[in-house]
Amino acid sequence: QSALTQPASVSGSPGQSITISCTGTSSDVGSFNLVSWYQQHPGKVPKLMIYEVTKRPSGVSNRFSGSKSGNTASLTISGLQAEDEADYYCCSYAGAATLVFGGGTKLTVL
Amino acid sequence: EVQLVQSGAEVKKPGESLKMSCKGSGYSFTRQWIGWVRQMPGKGLEWMGSVYPGDSDTRYSPSFQGLVTISADKSISTAYLQWSSLKASDTGIYYCVRHYGWELLIDYWGQGTLVTVSS
Repeated sequence: QSALTQPASVSGSPGQSITISCTGTSSDVGSFNLVSWYQQHPGKVPKLMIYEVTKRPSGVSNRFSGSKSGNTASLTISGLQAEDEADYYCCSYAGAATLVFGGGTKLTVL
Repeated sequence: EVQLVQSGAEVKKPGESLKMSCKGSGYSFTRQWIGWVRQMPGKGLEWMGSVYPGDSDTRYSPSFQGLVTISADKSISTAYLQWSSLKASDTGIYYCVRHYGWELLIDYWGQGTLVTVSS
C-alpha cells in the first residue's frame, strides 16, 4: 500500500484555475469512487473539500471540483483566491477498511 | 455537534511508552469507525489505522502494523493510540479522526496531539 502520488507544488495567479492530480493504482483510486480531498492551512486541522470524487460538503465553495479517470483523480480550483493557498491532500479508500493518502501538494497563489 | 477531543501534548524519551486518547461526542460512538492520522514535522498526512468501537474490529496501515496499538472503550466513548517503546522518529502531530460509513470517509478531525520524543 504505497502513498498516492501528487505533485509537490502547483501555483497560479488570482482568478486562474489550477488542477492537482492524484495518481494511485487499480487497488485504490481505480477501484473505488471514494477519493476525498483535504485542505490544510499552516498550523491548522485539515478540512474536507471533496468526497466521493466529485461531491462537495455543505459550505465548501463551488470553485472546488473533483474528477477521476482511471487510476488518477484530480482537484480543480477555479477563480483562484489568496485564501486558497494551502496544502492539499488526496485520500482514497483502498479496500478492506483501509485508506491511503497522497503525499500532499503545496498550492501557492502568486 | 460532533466533537473529538484529544489528550494534551506529550514530551517523552526514546524507549518510553505512551497512550493518547480521543473522546468522541455528539454522535453514536459505537456506529462509526474512528482512526488516527500522523503528520510528521513538515510532512504529509499518513493514515495509521482505525477501530470500529461497536465490535473492536481494528485495521492498520501496513506501515504502522506492529508498531502501534489502536483500541476503543465504548463505555466512555474514547479511542486510544499507544506505543510500547517510542523512537525519535515518532515525533509528530497525531490526529484522531471520525470516519463516516464503511468507506471510511474522514469527516471530522480532533485538534491534534503533539508528541515530541527526544533524549
